[in-house]
Amino acid sequence: GENVEQHPSTLSVQEGDSAVIKCTYSDSASNYFPWYKQELGKRPQLIIDIRSNVGEKKDQRIAVTLNKTAKHFSLHITETQPEDSAVYFCAASRSGGYQKVTFGIGTKLQVIP
Amino acid sequence: NAGVTQTPKFQVLKTGQSMTLQCAQDMNHNSMYWYRQDPGMGLRLIYYSASEGTTDKGEVPNGYNVSRLNKREFSLRLESAAPSQTSVYFCASSPGVQGTDTQYFGPGTRLTVL
Repeated sequence: GENVEQHPSTLSVQEGDSAVIKCTYSDSASNYFPWYKQELGKRPQLIIDIRSNVGEKKDQRIAVTLNKTAKHFSLHITETQPEDSAVYFCAASRSGGYQKVTFGIGTKLQVIP
Repeated sequence: NAGVTQTPKFQVLKTGQSMTLQCAQDMNHNSMYWYRQDPGMGLRLIYYSASEGTTDKGEVPNGYNVSRLNKREFSLRLESAAPSQTSVYFCASSPGVQGTDTQYFGPGTRLTVL
């Protein structure tokens, strides 16, 4: 089955700096890569996703890049703000029948004011 | 539109007791899921239901059973709770049947087994 590795497990940045979280996956057939944000005590919520037919997707201060050859994808947050502090999860799945989503272990991001 | 709701929010059980966690969604989604979240372990899939009337095991199904009561409701049952089942449980749903679309999570149930 799919295996998703995520790093770092914790990340501290100064407000205004950029943050990068990286994930690798094992199943070359995976073609859907979502990112979820979970604030303290809250539920995970989708912030951005990318499908294998594109290499990069941006939404304001966040972007995701995908390298299918290397089987890795990354989340980039620019101009970080204190409200970006949360746990971020990457995930991977593939289409074709039912395929479950496999999550990474999460990255705790702390933005220091 | 309440989205995904879960009951209860908190529960304390003694070893060996049983309980059922309830989940409902009002978005007419086909797929529903149960995850557990433990420190350093991320979100691990317990069971999922790709459509009404079907259920299947995920990564960590031992000690749990599920019922997809109808399209809206998906319950998780612990028949004989163990301390290793202390965790935060999340229910989620998604529109499609292939797992390649957005999952919407409920608020979670914090379960402690003594």
